[in-house]
Amino acid sequence: DTGVSQDPRHKITKRGQNVTFRCDPISEHNRLYWYRQTLGQGPEFLTYFQNEAQLEKSRLLSDRFSAERPKGSFSTLEIQRTEQGDSAMYLCASSLLAGGGSKIPYSTDTQYFGPGTRLTVL
Amino acid sequence: DQQVKQNSPSLSVQEGRISILNCDYTNSMFDYFLWYKKYPAEGPTFLISISSIKDKNEDGRFTVFLNKSAKHLSLHIVPSQPGDSAVYFCAASDTNAGKSTFGDGTTLTVKP
Repeated sequence: DTGVSQDPRHKITKRGQNVTFRCDPISEHNRLYWYRQTLGQGPEFLTYFQNEAQLEKSRLLSDRFSAERPKGSFSTLEIQRTEQGDSAMYLCASSLLAGGGSKIPYSTDTQYFGPGTRLTVL
Repeated sequence: DQQVKQNSPSLSVQEGRISILNCDYTNSMFDYFLWYKKYPAEGPTFLISISSIKDKNEDGRFTVFLNKSAKHLSLHIVPSQPGDSAVYFCAASDTNAGKSTFGDGTTLTVKP
């Protein structure tokens, strides 16, 4: 299976603990995204990387959240001092930004999602 | 301020009929639009996309229409099948900025 993978699929932790999630993107993809989704809402953007550079962070991403993509391949998302409000599904997606040239005159940035990590903070 | 809105939280159609899911956006910088399908406990699955330079894109039973002047897009599924029952998310992307903004989803139920 060459899709996006995430580990773990489920995480239950106590308030105040630190947690770390891993995402392995599709191998040739240069962009990697983190989203958070709560019940009844669509995915909310948290941050994204182009190769190893973190290019944008949402205001939703408090200083307790940090993401890395050290070699431009897999990424980790760490949440420090977890709070009950952090309970959500954390989704990772990857894409290959393409186009904008003569063959494809527009940019395409189709993101492919992993299965998500369900975090429950007690 | 929600930049992407799916105003119908749910839609129910009979098998074999057309399903039309709607999405409105406000940010004129969006240049790429996507529809995703999501089953419970899974990540969203890419369905179909359209660039802002087009007004229609078709892939099998799925067609996406874009009306830039109205800042509106729609997904047509013809004919609808029970296996299409899922939550459908509309997403809009500013490819220069990198991030996509999602609507809150429409739950489609296709009845046999």
